[in-house]
Amino acid sequence: GAGVSQSPRYKVAKRGQDVALRCDPISGHVSLFWYQQALGQGPEFLTYFQNEAQLDKSGLPSDRFFAERPEGSVSTLKIQRTQQEDSAVYLCASSLAGVRNSPLHFGNGTRLTVT
Amino acid sequence: AQKVTQAQTEISVVEKEDVTLDCVYETRDTTYYLFWYKQPPSGELVFLIRRNSFDEQNEISGRYSWNFQKSTSSFNFTITASQVVDSAVYFCAFRGTGANNLFFGTGTRLTVIP
Repeated sequence: GAGVSQSPRYKVAKRGQDVALRCDPISGHVSLFWYQQALGQGPEFLTYFQNEAQLDKSGLPSDRFFAERPEGSVSTLKIQRTQQEDSAVYLCASSLAGVRNSPLHFGNGTRLTVT
Repeated sequence: AQKVTQAQTEISVVEKEDVTLDCVYETRDTTYYLFWYKQPPSGELVFLIRRNSFDEQNEISGRYSWNFQKSTSSFNFTITASQVVDSAVYFCAFRGTGANNLFFGTGTRLTVIP
């Protein structure tokens, strides 16, 4: 597609459930990022992939968060045993690799609500 | 450590007024990149502009203009003759030397009143 696609658009989970959020980046973009945006805040970095390699996962808040990109295209962010503090919008972005001033192109996000 | 400050949390203007959104950054890097993004109610972050630290030339794109001043570590964004469609949250972001990810400010919510 022309842009970054994320699904589902909305997700409601009961506390303790596992969730999986999907991101389909722009074709040809080898860099992929996940961000978490709490209500009224700016996006905060979670993790970064270059192709299938996860080069930076320093932003993942706990070991309940796991991301993968096995074939270097679609990525999945998985949250295990969800907690209420995990409620946020999860944004995926992609960009051209190796170009420092290349902008990130964002998807519409997945709004996760943990009840 | 890098830091991006958007001191204005919310701004309201009447349509056709000009408005400036402030962004101040802190870094020890000599090479870095600055960005502005717009987030309308739909939620998608829309890229507006990027600047390199070695290029202080200001830029104008239609009703939008950006003023980059290294001396004051500021990268301000001005909308001329604001329109209702400009209502959104605007984020300033920073990428440092050797970094891949962007570091975002907390955003400024702009409301343009018709």
